[in-house]
Amino acid sequence: DGGITQSPKYLFRKEGQNVTLSCEQNLNHDAMYWYRQDPGQGLRLIYYSQIVNDFQKGDIAEGYSVSREKKESFPLTVTSAQKNPTAFYLCATCPGDTTYEQYFGPGTRLTVT
Amino acid sequence: AQKVTQAQTEISVVEKEDVTLDCVYETRDTTYYLFWYKQPPSGELVFLIRRNSFDEQNEISGRYSWNFQKSTSSFNFTITASQVVDSAVYFCALSGYSGAGSYQLTFGKGTKLSVIP
Repeated sequence: DGGITQSPKYLFRKEGQNVTLSCEQNLNHDAMYWYRQDPGQGLRLIYYSQIVNDFQKGDIAEGYSVSREKKESFPLTVTSAQKNPTAFYLCATCPGDTTYEQYFGPGTRLTVT
Repeated sequence: AQKVTQAQTEISVVEKEDVTLDCVYETRDTTYYLFWYKQPPSGELVFLIRRNSFDEQNEISGRYSWNFQKSTSSFNFTITASQVVDSAVYFCALSGYSGAGSYQLTFGKGTKLSVIP
């Protein structure tokens, strides 16, 4: 099946711990994105990558880090520096730039206590 | 700066009613792209439609239709004969030129639609 997988669906962590969210795609898309969604809010861009070994900060990159070592994978690390990490995280891919539609994974709901 | 406004935070309709979700955007660009996405309770966003700024033709896909009006900077979405499965959060998004050959995508805050049986 072609698509985007994010694991796990639910993730619980203690405050002060780093946590890495997985995003894998087999759509052969170059561009990948990480968004954060809070209740009643739209999607806010954390990081994006247009090509392997390259990524750019989005609107709310502070406290997050990413890597893009393979085309298929774009993991997101939520560091202890992120002041309010509890949120729903969505990964997306795109066949081109943002003028094209994006395809989303099922999301990971992170709860930090 | 570009902006997308979905003024309706939540809408409830009874099954089989028609419902229109409003989307108003702001951009200085002449070339831009508009999108609608559906987010069912499962959480995954599903792409519905993409429209570029040079194509003002309205589009119909089954029970879904979209009305794009550049004069009022609006890209409204209508569901005809709504069904319970239409219950979801719907997002409007705008991709406009941000300089240096790149485009920036901005989402509205979404409209939660509840269809009551």
